[in-house]
Amino acid sequence: DGGITQSPKYLFRKEGQNVTLSCEQNLNHDAMYWYRQDPGQGLRLIYYSQIVNDFQKGDIAEGYSVSREKKESFPLTVTSAQKNPTAFYLCASSGNEQFFGPGTRLTVL
Amino acid sequence: DAKTTQPPSMDCAEGRAANLPCNHSTISGNEYVYWYRQIHSQGPQYIIHGLKNNETNEMASLIITEDRKSSTLILPHATLRDTAVYYCIVRVLISSGSARQLTFGSGTQLTVLP
Repeated sequence: DGGITQSPKYLFRKEGQNVTLSCEQNLNHDAMYWYRQDPGQGLRLIYYSQIVNDFQKGDIAEGYSVSREKKESFPLTVTSAQKNPTAFYLCASSGNEQFFGPGTRLTVL
Repeated sequence: DAKTTQPPSMDCAEGRAANLPCNHSTISGNEYVYWYRQIHSQGPQYIIHGLKNNETNEMASLIITEDRKSSTLILPHATLRDTAVYYCIVRVLISSGSARQLTFGSGTQLTVLP
């Protein structure tokens, strides 16, 4: 069953902790993306990667980091430097269309 | 990417066709019209895209006007599960070799009523 998986679905973090969100795709797509969505708003791009071992900052990269060691995987780390990390995080990949994962809802306690 | 304008909300009776309009008067010749939808607390779902000809797939039909300045997404027999925010996006063709973000506006909240 092809697609994009994200884990965990829900994540709780204490202030000051780094957390890593997982994103895996088996669609053989080169390009992968991380978006953030706040309640009632559209998606904002955090980071994207066009190819393995390469990635670029999006519109709101501060306080986040990524890696792209494998084509299938594009994990996102939310660091303690991110001032307002509570949000819905979406991973996507693109071939001829852009497909999205189910999302991870991060809550900072 | 060209700007799009959509009504903020629409209602549709279950079993009837839902027609969602989108205006994109500044669309360029090489820009496609894409439609996605997002059901509450889920990731956006690709529906359909087109350049200038009408397109149909198992989910919906896309009607693009001859001048390409507007389009309509048609869900032929709406069900309660079609209740979602529908986004119309105009941009150059998404391809594997060009990583570019999709710019989602506010979209149209479609509510299918029983």
